[in-house]
Amino acid sequence: IAGITQAPTSQILAAGRRMTLRCTQDMRHNAMYWYRQDLGLGLRLIHYSNTAGTTGKGEVPDGYSVSRANTDDFPLTLASAVPSQTSVYFCASSDDPGQGYYGYTFGSGTRLTVV
Amino acid sequence: GQNIDQPTEMTATEGAIVQINCTYQTSGFNGLFWYQQHAGEAPTFLSYNVLDGLEEKGRFSSFLSRSKGYSYLLLKELQMKDSASYLCAVTDSNYQLIWGAGTKLIIKP
Repeated sequence: IAGITQAPTSQILAAGRRMTLRCTQDMRHNAMYWYRQDLGLGLRLIHYSNTAGTTGKGEVPDGYSVSRANTDDFPLTLASAVPSQTSVYFCASSDDPGQGYYGYTFGSGTRLTVV
Repeated sequence: GQNIDQPTEMTATEGAIVQINCTYQTSGFNGLFWYQQHAGEAPTFLSYNVLDGLEEKGRFSSFLSRSKGYSYLLLKELQMKDSASYLCAVTDSNYQLIWGAGTKLIIKP
């Protein structure tokens, strides 16, 4: 593993089903983020974690939950999927939320379709 | 509210120069990023500006004016591989990134 690994790459999910998107990083970054990206809109922050054991809500947290049991893993769970959650989901990390110089490292994304 | 504005789409010719503008209104400012995103791929970091002025990195340069809430990304000697979306993002007072919708750059031969 080099960087951030997301799984699955893509998924078609029936509405009402529960789904967990996985995100693992091997850079020992403190901060991790989940974004969704929809056509014509900017990346929107769903949830974030500034360090292991802590999480926070972003701009669009409803219908999603996260956990940060350790430094490397930051799974995103959709408790009961709805069609409006159809999107591309990106996991990202940074060494420190205040150190912007090095930017964020992004995973390759999960394309989720809820039908 | 917080807002990042950039053009939706631009077209340029291979070998030419293009400037992509970004204006922002955010609660506080702790830096501005430019990212490149090829279709179907993840964004990748291009540049970071926190002080006024021009930062140059090879063919790419980024400029910031904090008093005007304005930045631009300048791409020189355009290559076909530069066809991508370019995302402007600002770190606000809470160190959260606010993202623009991106500018799709089309390079023609």
